[in-house]
Formats: sequence, C-alpha cells, structure tokens
Amino acid sequence: DTEVTQTPKHLVMGMTNKKSLKCEQHMGHRAMYWYKQKAKKPPELMFVYSYEKLSINESVPSRFSPECPNSSLLNLHLHALQPEDSALYLCASSPGMTVQPQHFGDGTRLSIL
Amino acid sequence: KQEVTQIPAALSVPEGENLVLNCSFTDSAIYNLQWFRQDPGKGLTSLLLIQSSQREQTSGRLNASLDKSSGRSTLYIAASQPGDSATYLCAVSNTGKLIFGQGTTLQVKP
Repeated sequence: DTEVTQTPKHLVMGMTNKKSLKCEQHMGHRAMYWYKQKAKKPPELMFVYSYEKLSINESVPSRFSPECPNSSLLNLHLHALQPEDSALYLCASSPGMTVQPQHFGDGTRLSIL
Repeated sequence: KQEVTQIPAALSVPEGENLVLNCSFTDSAIYNLQWFRQDPGKGLTSLLLIQSSQREQTSGRLNASLDKSSGRSTLYIAASQPGDSATYLCAVSNTGKLIFGQGTTLQVKP
C-alpha cells in the first residue's frame, strides 16, 4: 500500500467545471509535489511546496491552483481545463526539497470532456 | 539544461535472464539519482537511491551503479521474473527537482 494517498482515483469533468484533487501523507515529510504524466511519457513537475510554502511553479497555467493547508495535505484546484489537460496527476512527498527519495501516490486519472 | 536519456526504450527477455538498464545524464552536478518502477496505471515506486558521493546501491536482486564523471548509471536486475515487468525510470535530482528519463519498458516472458 502506498503511503501517499490521492483522491479521487478517477475524475471526469467538463471544461466549465471546478474540481479539486487531494493528496495526503503522514510520514512527516516537509516537501510535497504535483506532477502531470501523459501516456507513455515521464512525469513532469508542476509545483513544489516546502514547509507549506510554494517553492517552485514550473510555469503552470493559472487554471491549475495548488494549495497546501497543512504539512500533511496538498490540494490541486482545477478550473476551466482544456482537453489537453487530460492526464494522470501524481502527488509525491519527501523529507525535504533536496532530501530524497520521493514517495509517490497512485495518482488521479483526469479526463476533460 | 539537464537531460536524461534511457536506453533501450523497450526490452523483452525470457524469465531467468540477468539484464542491464542504462541511464545517462548531461550535467554531473547532481545531488542524487533514483531508479523508479511504474506499473500500468499506477504511481512510481522508488527502487534505489544513490547519493552523489556513492558508487552503488543494492536491494535484493537489484543493483544500481553511478558514475558521475561520465554521467552514467546502470540498473542491474538478476534472475528476472515475470513480476519484474514494468516501466523503469531513472531520475536525477538537483535543487529539489527530479529530472526523469523517458523510461525503459521491460517485459519478462515466462
């Protein structure tokens, strides 16, 4: 069983909907990450939070809005997404930003209609 | 800009074979290198982590080596089993980011 829990596992939404992806870890890690993975491609980093503060934003469109309410939770708020945003969204955590390894959840499979 | 390359892209072997997966990177200024396994539709499982000061790490039938000066790492899998079938990704870390290779998809046939 993965130590990083992501919900929901699957999400289908229209381009005008607002939804949120959730990620939770209880390993005491202080760095949390969002990745986007398209089919047969490696994960691409989107955001990094370190000690609950946004440290890295890889020029992600504003229709993706991350939030870190506390050290165990990470959310990704979605609004007005495009069909090309359909992908597997992975959350990960690590003891610190430069301290590996990163532990990954099983992801949320997102489909935009 | 760091670039990570994995060769081969796909590999099919009979059960019981020993095999080597290759990973190369262009910038030797890395903190560490990780090997991951990804099963279809699943997240990534960390297999081995090699710090920049280390030369190799071992876990069970897996052995990973790192040669920073030449920008190369190998993942050696001994006595392969059908359960080893998956995509294997290497990733280098610097300044908190993981830079991934494109992966090697391994099929082990019974």
